[in-house]
Amino acid sequence: QKEVEQDPGPLSVPEGAIVSLNCTYSNSAFQYFMWYRQYSRKGPELLMYTYSSGNKEDGRFTAQVDKSSKYISLFIRDSQPSDSATYLCAMSKETSGSRLTFGEGTQLTVNP
Amino acid sequence: GAVVSQHPSWVICKSGTSVKIECRSLDFQATTMFWYRQFPKQSLMLMATSNEGSKATYEQGVEKDKFLINHASLTLSTLTVTSAHPEDSSFYICSARDGQRQGPSNYGYTFGSGTRLTVV
Repeated sequence: QKEVEQDPGPLSVPEGAIVSLNCTYSNSAFQYFMWYRQYSRKGPELLMYTYSSGNKEDGRFTAQVDKSSKYISLFIRDSQPSDSATYLCAMSKETSGSRLTFGEGTQLTVNP
Repeated sequence: GAVVSQHPSWVICKSGTSVKIECRSLDFQATTMFWYRQFPKQSLMLMATSNEGSKATYEQGVEKDKFLINHASLTLSTLTVTSAHPEDSSFYICSARDGQRQGPSNYGYTFGSGTRLTVV
């Protein structure tokens, strides 16, 4: 069983839709949770990071972590065609120099 | 913000030759550098972790003699794919962490833009 599970999609939505992306994990030692966006043939860029359970909002993006269910989510409001990319969840156990464990990534297309 | 410059962005080489990929942290000191490879429509697979001035730690199944990693300074790490073969064709990405920043604001690692290697 993979440590981090993420539905690879692809997910296709109309412009303006609310997008929900999710990951589940099995290792309760994970403490730090991140979402990365990766455009085709580019390196991932950090969108959101959260520590432990709770919500965090940044503009159109909201990250949620539910440690009791081992479930994290990323919501994108008012989705735009420029949001079309692959979204990767990532998590780690410690702060300093800790390796990241990635989900498979969900490919999102926002249609104009 | 922190920037990691990765070069080249793409390279085509003949089977049996070696290829060097460079990653430079432009505005911070990268005490730890991670090297990943990514196959099409798959996630990032960690190959190795390197700390400045010490030998890299390789993940299980990654050949250290084939994928040579050098992290000789706080701003530069290199990955050399030796005696490359077509099965080494992949997207290679580095990631660095700013060792001088602490706390949650440092938590995200900065990624390079990736190198697409094609071995023919």
